[in-house]
Amino acid sequence: AQSVTQLGSHVSVSEGALVLLRCNYSSSVPPYLFWYVQYPNQGLQLLLKYTTGATLVKGINGFEAEFKKSETSFHLTKPSAHMSDAAEYFCAVSAAGGTSYGKLTFGQGTILTVHP
Amino acid sequence: EPEVTQTPSHQVTQMGQEVILRCVPISNHLYFYWYRQILGQKVEFLVSFYNNEISEKSEIFDDQFSVERPDGSNFTLKIRSTKLEDSAMYFCASSESARELFFGEGSRLTVL
Repeated sequence: AQSVTQLGSHVSVSEGALVLLRCNYSSSVPPYLFWYVQYPNQGLQLLLKYTTGATLVKGINGFEAEFKKSETSFHLTKPSAHMSDAAEYFCAVSAAGGTSYGKLTFGQGTILTVHP
Repeated sequence: EPEVTQTPSHQVTQMGQEVILRCVPISNHLYFYWYRQILGQKVEFLVSFYNNEISEKSEIFDDQFSVERPDGSNFTLKIRSTKLEDSAMYFCASSESARELFFGEGSRLTVL
């Protein structure tokens, strides 16, 4: 069984400030980890993913995340927030094996607000 | 850039009515999924579909739900007799390898 907890349903930052969105997961098997972003009235867009290999992964729009197995975390960061980053962000986990690759378990989402 | 398209974007229906939500996955993808998000809750997995059959389904996906790929391009989700609690945003997704999912913009279903 797998689960995801995103700490903070709302995060507010100033433009140019560091963005940190927290995600902790629980998985009984090696996980694949994902961050998705949802802009208003749009679908879920993949920001980045960790499958195997390097634990620091870079995604689109300057975002990156680090897989820390010892902390069961996959926090999302961006050094400098832009107004266009305002959206809802979802962390998700899937099992790294079998036919369940595409069966994602999502966190509850974090709404990021960016102030001028 | 190829994308997953869903129709309708919003459907309002009466309780007990049948609803069909349609999805056109990305053309070379082999794996297809439906997820849903009830307002204020997490996005939940409903069902995965591969090689013309369901490969996995959640507890939510009971006998009221069915999926079909009728013509090699569309992927549909049917709810036979809608309930109030079926009101949600339904997301279709497709994947070439099941390792990276591409989601559509969703179909909002409102059951009155």
